[in-house]
Amino acid sequence: DVKVTQSSRYLVKRTGEKVFLECVQDMDHENMFWYRQDPGLGLRLIYFSYDVKMKEKGDIPEGYSVSREKKERFSLILESTSTNQTSMYLCASSPQLAGLNEKLFFGSGTQLSVL
Amino acid sequence: AQSVTQLGSHVSVSEGALVLLRCNYSSSVPPYLFWYVQYPNQGLQLLLKYTSAATLVKGINGFEAEFKKSETSFHLTKPSAHMSDAAEYFCAVSGRSSASKIIFGSGTRLSIRP
Repeated sequence: DVKVTQSSRYLVKRTGEKVFLECVQDMDHENMFWYRQDPGLGLRLIYFSYDVKMKEKGDIPEGYSVSREKKERFSLILESTSTNQTSMYLCASSPQLAGLNEKLFFGSGTQLSVL
Repeated sequence: AQSVTQLGSHVSVSEGALVLLRCNYSSSVPPYLFWYVQYPNQGLQLLLKYTSAATLVKGINGFEAEFKKSETSFHLTKPSAHMSDAAEYFCAVSGRSSASKIIFGSGTRLSIRP
């Protein structure tokens, strides 16, 4: 089975702190994604990557950046956290073979609370 | 641009009753449609995917969904609910181009009454 692992289940940070959210997948997938999940809003795409060192903005990239130095690892960076970034963050991956709308495999999420 | 609307943020049914979760889509081109499920404290997993091979799509755990172009709907059903079906369900849409991203709906939380 594909495994997508997110480094932390819960994080509590203070406003202005820098946060790294790490995601690792073990199935050699080319595509990786970061979403945030908020009640009543569903999942919104922050950034995605279709290859090492490649990244594309999603629908809500403001306040976030990403890094993909190795194929299996995709990091989400919050340079200076704000309270409106309190959310559940979900990482996902998929194989390239059919494109970005191939079946997504998700990690179990990181609940970030910014105080 | 594509979008999906899930009708009802919370649905409650009795164990053994029919489950019906509603999803309407908006797309200027024939879409791909998905249902994902999220169990408590887990990530999402794919239930089923419509790609136009058949309008009735069968998924895992006894769920199925029917694509109705005339109604722009893709409702999810299960004949008999089980306690283990309690979860949040997300409808999603994408274009058919390989560059099309998946757009998720707002989700419907399904509760099962004993």
